Amino acid sequence: DTAVSQTPKYLVTQMGNDKSIKCEQNLGHDTMYWYKQDSKKFLKIMFSYNNKELIINETVPNRFSPKSPDKAHLNLHINSLELGDSAVYFCASSQATYEQYFGPGTRLTVT
Amino acid sequence: KQEVTQIPAALSVPEGENLVLNCSFTDSAIYNLQWFRQDPGKGLTSLLLIQSSQREQTSGRLNASLDKSSGRSTLYIAASQPGDSATYLCAVLPSDSWGKLQFGAGTQVVVTP
Repeated sequence: DTAVSQTPKYLVTQMGNDKSIKCEQNLGHDTMYWYKQDSKKFLKIMFSYNNKELIINETVPNRFSPKSPDKAHLNLHINSLELGDSAVYFCASSQATYEQYFGPGTRLTVT
Repeated sequence: KQEVTQIPAALSVPEGENLVLNCSFTDSAIYNLQWFRQDPGKGLTSLLLIQSSQREQTSGRLNASLDKSSGRSTLYIAASQPGDSATYLCAVLPSDSWGKLQFGAGTQVVVTP
């Protein structure tokens, strides 16, 4: 009964490649998020969707493009991967501004 | 701009002692404050959510207080166990932000048997 799931768990790829991370929540929430945790373990929000509409778009390179096909799914596509994109990416969901629930994370390593 | 600080950065206690984790934030205009636990290589587990109108929340051995006017929250963990070893993160949701949690850097806790 996983609440927020992400695939893949690990992603190792070379510079310049394009990759996607998928997220699904079965909590019936209306809002989903992408966070990035850097090497110093600091968490920062990247994007947020409410009812499939983008509501938060932080200062993130436009190589990162989120897509929400429906309220239960939020995907993150990254073009032309760079070494600095290596991090752990977390998906989260909430009902409006209430408690946020996080997925297990996707560890992206760019070589 | 909201800033969230957690002190200390690391803490080691013997089993059975009570844990006290501190979180401070610079802007009192918040919707809520959330405490999380993160185990190495794992995701975040939500522990407690305190709404801005509340003073404290309790769940089992965990108790979190919120003093919005002074910009502080404290997480108490009673009778610590080795299984409590993890990094504890505090995050605030600013009132002018819809869902944009601002995280502290975390407190790494080790409970020794």
